[in-house]
Amino acid sequence: DAGITQSPRHKVTETGTPVTLRCHQTENHRYMYWYRQDPGHGLRLIHYSYGVKDTDKGEVSDGYSVSRSKTEDFLLTLESATSSQTSVYFCAISGGAGESNEQFFGPGTRLTVL
Amino acid sequence: KNEVEQSPQNLTAQEGEFITINCSYSVGISALHWLQQHPGGGIVSLFMLSSGKKKHGRLIATINIQEKHSSLHITASHPRDSAVYICAVGGTGNQFYFGTGTSLTVIP
Repeated sequence: DAGITQSPRHKVTETGTPVTLRCHQTENHRYMYWYRQDPGHGLRLIHYSYGVKDTDKGEVSDGYSVSRSKTEDFLLTLESATSSQTSVYFCAISGGAGESNEQFFGPGTRLTVL
Repeated sequence: KNEVEQSPQNLTAQEGEFITINCSYSVGISALHWLQQHPGGGIVSLFMLSSGKKKHGRLIATINIQEKHSSLHITASHPRDSAVYICAVGGTGNQFYFGTGTSLTVIP
């Protein structure tokens, strides 16, 4: 299994508070992604990174920001959490050997915003 | 508009049955992926394919590029196959589009 960890795994917070989720990889993959997963929707891309300090928005980026200061870590920040951001968040990586298109997923973070 | 459509959304089968899950897509792709997610669990990649057919144990994945269609087959289904199966396509720039998943329940 690809070495991807997410922290925290579970978090409950209140509306209006800032929240940062961390994704850490040990695989030296170039691309990193943050998705959210909600009932009735497929995985939806929030932001992705194609290298250190290189990031771009996905289809549901409003209310989220990201940073990637080193290859291993990709942070997702909710500046002021809202109840609509209650979801399960998955980090993924790709672009391994030979720039492989295969994606590997982290274990997920369940976030509840009260 | 969904770039990736899966059918059926829900599927219940008796143990031992042959199962087929379908995926149609509308975008140009570099590869198609089948993923598995057990209840409360993480997401695991089952197959990545860009043409033809691949087989891992009781699982078979096929793709028809001209028709923009893929199928995932499970032979001799077992209760441990109960999971959500997700079709995803890799487009340009290493971006991915996901179906909403097919929830499979295999009854002993």
